[in-house]
Amino acid sequence: GENVEQHPSTLSVQEGDSAVIKCTYSDSASNYFPWYKQELGKRPQLIIDIRSNVGEKKDQRIAVTLNKTAKHFSLHITETQPEDSAVYFCAASKDYGQNFVFGPGTRLSVLP
Amino acid sequence: GAGVSQSPSNKVTEKGKDVELRCDPISGHTALYWYRQSLGQGLEFLIYFQGNSAPDKSGLPSDRFSAERTGGSVSTLTIQRTQQEDSAVYLCASSSMWFDSSYEQYFGPGTRLTVT
Repeated sequence: GENVEQHPSTLSVQEGDSAVIKCTYSDSASNYFPWYKQELGKRPQLIIDIRSNVGEKKDQRIAVTLNKTAKHFSLHITETQPEDSAVYFCAASKDYGQNFVFGPGTRLSVLP
Repeated sequence: GAGVSQSPSNKVTEKGKDVELRCDPISGHTALYWYRQSLGQGLEFLIYFQGNSAPDKSGLPSDRFSAERTGGSVSTLTIQRTQQEDSAVYLCASSSMWFDSSYEQYFGPGTRLTVT
Protein backbone atom coordinates (compact mmCIF):
# COMPACT_ATOMS: atom_id res chain seq x y z
CA GLY A 1 0.00 0.00 0.00
CA GLU A 2 0.85 3.66 -0.09
CA ASN A 3 3.51 5.00 2.28
CA VAL A 4 4.00 8.72 2.87
CA GLU A 5 7.13 10.07 4.54
CA GLN A 6 7.47 13.65 5.70
CA HIS A 7 10.53 15.70 6.65
CA PRO A 8 11.48 17.39 8.83
CA SER A 9 9.47 16.30 11.85
CA THR A 10 10.10 19.67 13.50
CA LEU A 11 11.09 22.98 11.96
CA SER A 12 11.86 26.32 13.59
CA VAL A 13 12.23 29.47 11.53
CA GLN A 14 12.51 33.15 12.27
CA GLU A 15 9.50 35.30 11.46
CA GLY A 16 9.76 36.49 7.87
CA ASP A 17 11.88 33.56 6.72
CA SER A 18 10.67 30.79 4.42
CA ALA A 19 9.76 27.26 5.47
CA VAL A 20 9.84 24.15 3.31
CA ILE A 21 8.36 20.77 4.19
CA LYS A 22 8.92 17.76 1.94
CA CYS A 23 6.92 14.59 1.47
CA THR A 24 7.61 11.47 -0.53
CA TYR A 25 5.09 8.85 -1.55
CA SER A 26 5.49 5.32 -2.80
CA ASP A 27 2.48 4.61 -5.02
CA SER A 28 2.87 6.04 -8.50
CA ALA A 29 -0.92 5.80 -8.93
CA SER A 30 -1.50 8.53 -6.34
CA ASN A 31 -2.93 11.59 -8.03
CA TYR A 32 -4.11 14.00 -5.35
CA PHE A 33 -1.89 15.62 -2.73
CA PRO A 34 -3.39 17.89 -0.07
CA TRP A 35 -1.74 19.70 2.81
CA TYR A 36 -3.54 20.17 6.11
CA LYS A 37 -2.71 22.54 8.96
CA GLN A 38 -3.59 21.64 12.52
CA GLU A 39 -3.27 24.29 15.18
CA LEU A 40 -2.92 23.21 18.78
CA GLY A 41 -6.16 21.72 20.05
CA LYS A 42 -7.99 22.28 16.78
CA ARG A 43 -9.11 20.13 13.87
CA PRO A 44 -7.01 19.79 10.70
CA GLN A 45 -7.91 22.19 7.90
CA LEU A 46 -6.97 22.09 4.23
CA ILE A 47 -4.60 24.86 3.22
CA ILE A 48 -3.66 23.86 -0.32
CA ASP A 49 -3.84 20.86 -2.60
CA ILE A 50 -2.44 19.78 -5.95
CA ARG A 51 -3.48 17.22 -8.52
CA SER A 52 -1.11 15.12 -10.54
CA ASN A 53 -1.78 17.01 -13.79
CA VAL A 54 0.00 20.15 -12.54
CA GLY A 55 3.48 20.73 -11.20
CA GLU A 56 2.96 23.77 -9.02
CA LYS A 57 0.17 25.68 -7.33
CA LYS A 58 0.35 28.90 -5.38
CA ASP A 59 -2.03 30.68 -3.03
CA GLN A 60 -0.64 33.91 -1.58
CA ARG A 61 2.24 32.95 0.74
CA ILE A 62 1.73 29.22 0.29
CA ALA A 63 2.84 27.09 -2.64
CA VAL A 64 3.05 23.39 -3.36
CA THR A 65 5.29 21.73 -5.94
CA LEU A 66 4.95 18.19 -7.24
CA ASN A 67 7.56 16.01 -8.91
CA LYS A 68 5.75 12.92 -10.17
CA THR A 69 8.90 11.29 -11.51
CA ALA A 70 10.64 11.45 -8.16
CA LYS A 71 7.37 10.94 -6.27
CA HIS A 72 7.77 13.86 -3.95
CA PHE A 73 5.93 17.07 -3.22
CA SER A 74 6.77 20.05 -1.07
CA LEU A 75 5.01 22.81 0.82
CA HIS A 76 6.60 26.25 0.69
CA ILE A 77 5.58 29.03 3.07
CA THR A 78 7.13 32.44 2.45
CA GLU A 79 7.27 35.43 4.81
CA THR A 80 6.33 33.24 7.75
CA GLN A 81 4.27 34.71 10.56
CA PRO A 82 3.72 33.51 14.15
CA GLU A 83 0.21 32.36 13.20
CA ASP A 84 1.79 29.88 10.78
CA SER A 85 2.97 27.90 13.82
CA ALA A 86 1.14 24.58 13.70
CA VAL A 87 1.51 20.95 12.69
CA TYR A 88 1.36 20.42 8.94
CA PHE A 89 0.31 17.10 7.41
CA CYS A 90 0.77 16.05 3.82
CA ALA A 91 -1.31 13.30 2.28
CA ALA A 92 -1.49 11.24 -0.87
CA SER A 93 -4.58 9.78 -2.44
CA LYS A 94 -5.48 7.60 -5.39
CA ASP A 95 -8.68 7.98 -7.35
CA TYR A 96 -8.85 11.67 -6.52
CA GLY A 97 -9.86 11.60 -2.91
CA GLN A 98 -10.11 7.99 -1.95
CA ASN A 99 -7.60 5.96 0.04
CA PHE A 100 -5.96 8.87 1.83
CA VAL A 101 -2.63 8.22 3.52
CA PHE A 102 -1.28 10.99 5.72
CA GLY A 103 2.34 11.74 6.53
CA PRO A 104 3.41 11.82 10.20
CA GLY A 105 3.36 15.62 10.37
CA THR A 106 5.81 18.50 10.75
CA ARG A 107 5.65 20.79 13.75
CA LEU A 108 6.48 24.29 12.51
CA SER A 109 7.44 26.99 14.99
CA VAL A 110 7.79 30.56 13.78
CA LEU A 111 9.88 32.51 16.23
CA PRO A 112 9.15 36.25 16.63
CA GLY B 1 -23.93 25.82 6.82
CA ALA B 2 -23.30 23.36 9.60
CA GLY B 3 -19.97 21.61 9.64
CA VAL B 4 -19.11 18.08 10.70
CA SER B 5 -20.19 17.36 14.25
CA GLN B 6 -19.11 14.59 16.58
CA SER B 7 -20.40 13.36 19.89
CA PRO B 8 -19.52 13.03 22.61
CA SER B 9 -16.68 15.53 22.71
CA ASN B 10 -15.09 13.66 25.59
CA LYS B 11 -15.57 10.10 26.76
CA VAL B 12 -13.97 8.44 29.74
CA THR B 13 -14.57 4.73 30.04
CA GLU B 14 -13.26 1.81 32.02
CA LYS B 15 -11.10 -0.81 30.40
CA GLY B 16 -13.24 -3.59 28.97
CA LYS B 17 -16.31 -1.46 28.33
CA ASP B 18 -17.78 -0.80 24.88
CA VAL B 19 -18.04 2.72 23.48
CA GLU B 20 -19.89 4.30 20.57
CA LEU B 21 -18.70 7.46 18.86
CA ARG B 22 -20.99 9.38 16.55
CA CYS B 23 -20.29 11.49 13.48
CA ASP B 24 -22.73 13.74 11.62
CA PRO B 25 -21.17 14.68 8.27
CA ILE B 26 -21.95 17.75 6.21
CA SER B 27 -25.27 17.27 4.44
CA GLY B 28 -24.80 15.93 0.92
CA HIS B 29 -21.25 14.72 1.46
CA THR B 30 -20.98 11.19 0.13
CA ALA B 31 -17.58 10.32 1.57
CA LEU B 32 -16.92 9.84 5.28
CA TYR B 33 -13.65 8.98 6.98
CA TRP B 34 -12.65 7.99 10.50
CA TYR B 35 -9.15 8.66 11.82
CA ARG B 36 -7.41 8.16 15.13
CA GLN B 37 -4.88 10.66 16.47
CA SER B 38 -2.83 9.83 19.52
CA LEU B 39 -1.28 12.68 21.50
CA GLY B 40 1.27 14.49 19.35
CA GLN B 41 0.98 11.94 16.58
CA GLY B 42 -0.30 11.88 13.02
CA LEU B 43 -3.62 10.86 11.54
CA GLU B 44 -4.14 7.12 11.47
CA PHE B 45 -6.74 6.07 8.90
CA LEU B 46 -9.38 3.71 10.27
CA ILE B 47 -12.26 3.35 7.82
CA TYR B 48 -13.76 5.05 4.76
CA PHE B 49 -17.34 5.10 3.46
CA GLN B 50 -18.27 6.27 -0.04
CA GLY B 51 -21.92 6.34 -1.01
CA ASN B 52 -23.43 2.88 -1.15
CA SER B 53 -20.12 1.12 -1.80
CA ALA B 54 -18.67 -1.38 0.62
CA PRO B 55 -16.57 0.49 3.19
CA ASP B 56 -12.79 0.35 3.14
CA LYS B 57 -12.01 -1.18 6.52
CA SER B 58 -8.31 -1.69 5.88
CA GLY B 59 -7.24 0.67 8.66
CA LEU B 60 -9.18 -0.85 11.53
CA PRO B 61 -6.54 -2.01 14.05
CA SER B 62 -8.42 -5.03 15.38
CA ASP B 63 -11.76 -6.81 15.25
CA ARG B 64 -12.79 -4.85 18.35
CA PHE B 65 -13.32 -1.87 16.06
CA SER B 66 -16.31 -1.57 13.76
CA ALA B 67 -18.23 1.22 12.08
CA GLU B 68 -21.45 1.69 10.22
CA ARG B 69 -23.06 4.44 8.26
CA THR B 70 -26.82 4.50 8.22
CA GLY B 71 -28.72 5.98 5.30
CA GLY B 72 -25.56 7.37 3.81
CA SER B 73 -25.34 10.02 6.53
CA VAL B 74 -24.62 9.52 10.23
CA SER B 75 -21.81 7.16 11.15
CA THR B 76 -21.06 5.34 14.37
CA LEU B 77 -17.66 3.96 15.34
CA THR B 78 -17.87 1.22 17.95
CA ILE B 79 -14.99 -0.01 20.03
CA GLN B 80 -15.65 -3.17 22.01
CA ARG B 81 -13.78 -4.25 25.11
CA THR B 82 -11.77 -1.03 25.20
CA GLN B 83 -8.07 -1.14 26.06
CA GLN B 84 -5.85 1.64 27.39
CA GLU B 85 -4.05 1.85 24.05
CA ASP B 86 -7.37 2.88 22.48
CA SER B 87 -7.06 6.24 24.25
CA ALA B 88 -6.81 8.91 21.55
CA VAL B 89 -8.77 11.55 19.72
CA TYR B 90 -11.06 10.04 17.13
CA LEU B 91 -11.65 12.36 14.19
CA CYS B 92 -14.33 12.10 11.57
CA ALA B 93 -14.19 13.87 8.21
CA SER B 94 -16.48 14.15 5.21
CA SER B 95 -16.03 15.30 1.63
CA SER B 96 -18.21 15.79 -1.42
CA MET B 97 -16.20 13.58 -3.80
CA TRP B 98 -17.66 15.18 -6.92
CA PHE B 99 -15.17 15.05 -9.81
CA ASP B 100 -13.61 18.40 -10.63
CA SER B 101 -14.71 19.86 -7.34
CA SER B 102 -12.60 20.08 -4.24
CA TYR B 103 -11.78 16.83 -2.50
CA GLU B 104 -11.25 18.72 0.72
CA GLN B 105 -11.95 16.74 3.83
CA TYR B 106 -13.86 18.69 6.45
CA PHE B 107 -12.96 17.45 9.89
CA GLY B 108 -15.13 17.33 12.95
CA PRO B 109 -13.91 18.51 16.36
CA GLY B 110 -13.10 14.98 17.43
CA THR B 111 -13.98 12.78 20.37
CA ARG B 112 -11.31 12.47 23.03
CA LEU B 113 -11.49 8.92 24.37
CA THR B 114 -9.77 8.06 27.62
CA VAL B 115 -9.70 4.46 28.78
CA THR B 116 -8.88 4.08 32.46
